[in-house]
Amino acid sequence: GAGVSQSPSNKVTEKGKDVELRCDPISGHTALYWYRQSLGQGLEFLIYFQGNSAPDKSGLPSDRFSAERTGGSVSTLTIQRTQQEDSAVYLCASSFTSGAGNGELFFGEGSRLTVL
Amino acid sequence: AQSVTQLDSQVPVFEEAPVELRCNYSSSVSVYLFWYVQYPNQGLQLLLKYLSGSTLVKGINGFEAEFNKSQTSFHLRKPSVHISDTAEYFCAVLNNFNKFYFGSGTKLNVKP
Repeated sequence: GAGVSQSPSNKVTEKGKDVELRCDPISGHTALYWYRQSLGQGLEFLIYFQGNSAPDKSGLPSDRFSAERTGGSVSTLTIQRTQQEDSAVYLCASSFTSGAGNGELFFGEGSRLTVL
Repeated sequence: AQSVTQLDSQVPVFEEAPVELRCNYSSSVSVYLFWYVQYPNQGLQLLLKYLSGSTLVKGINGFEAEFNKSQTSFHLRKPSVHISDTAEYFCAVLNNFNKFYFGSGTKLNVKP
């Protein structure tokens, strides 16, 4: 596709349920990020994938959060046993990082998660 | 670790007035600098970027930013704002390990 695609765009779930959020990055982009944006808050870094390197998981808020990136392309963010404080917009972004490291980040429209 | 500081969480300004949104970063090595904008109920989009060369960078919608290496700053400016500039603005740094770091954002509220 032309841009970063995220699905679902909206997800309402009950507390305690598991959810999966999907991100299709721009084809050929080697770097992929997940961020969380809570109401009125800035961007909270969650996880970063770069090529075949081990992901940087330093931003994941708890062990209920996990993410994987299959085949260096599509990524899935999984939240287990959701809590109300998990309600937020989850943003995915990708970039093509060259040796000069000047890759611009392209963002998806986000997945809005509401935990009741 | 890299850090990006946007000291002003909110900036109210009247239409047609000038505005400066401040951004400072911590680094002693080369970085690439970006400003992103998020209009209400929309995704983030690139406003401008500094990679190398001239320290004054011009972006979309009349915005510009100046890279100041000695002060590790990359402040965003616009000489005359419009109501349509009301949005949240994020400063970002890409370090030499190809990882992005974002500031906490500045909400620009342009009043008529």
